[in-house]
Amino acid sequence: GENVGLHLPTLSVQEGDNSIINCAYSNSASDYFIWYKQESGKGPQFIIDIRSNMDKRQGQRVTVLLNKTVKHLSLQIAATQPGDSAVYFCSRSSGTYKYIFGTGTRLKVLA
Amino acid sequence: DAMVIQNPRYQVTQFGKPVTLSCSQTLNHNVMYWYQQKSSQAPKLLFHYYDKDFNNEADTPDNFQSRRPNTSFCFLDIRSPGLGDAAMYLCATSTMGGGEKLFFGSGTQLSVL
Repeated sequence: GENVGLHLPTLSVQEGDNSIINCAYSNSASDYFIWYKQESGKGPQFIIDIRSNMDKRQGQRVTVLLNKTVKHLSLQIAATQPGDSAVYFCSRSSGTYKYIFGTGTRLKVLA
Repeated sequence: DAMVIQNPRYQVTQFGKPVTLSCSQTLNHNVMYWYQQKSSQAPKLLFHYYDKDFNNEADTPDNFQSRRPNTSFCFLDIRSPGLGDAAMYLCATSTMGGGEKLFFGSGTQLSVL
């Protein structure tokens, strides 16, 4: 069945270290994946996306890796800052105009 | 700035009393979505509109309805709210291209007393 799930519900990282947030999915038909950041009391905010014809995509301080063989997606945040503290969701396309969200990982940045 | 606006930010209703949540957008996007998000959970898609075409999720209760009178506005109607309907309701938009990111509003936090 369709599923997008995360391995860890909470991730604590020291300020300045790199963060890696993981996501597993089960439906190989998805061709578009997105990472969102959600701060407390706000709506999700787009971070970075990747299409299924790519393995890696880089943004400012963020990198998304896609491994279609094992149906795994990861978000890497370089030099994690206090402002990165939030819940991170992976999301994937499911049919036309429909997007399903994974469980979410709470990132805590330790001073 | 172009954006997605949800009103009100907080809404309190009584058990069984109909309530309407509002969403407007200045992005001129064709697709509008309503998601329900309960505490510490992922957003769950309730339904979406592609222009005027309504697409309901199979597991969305009949208690939830939606209206889209024009491109800019979309409403979520909860006909008889139950305690289990207390949640954050998120409105989002995307372009008609498919495979595009969603733009979210700040959400309406609904409490049911």
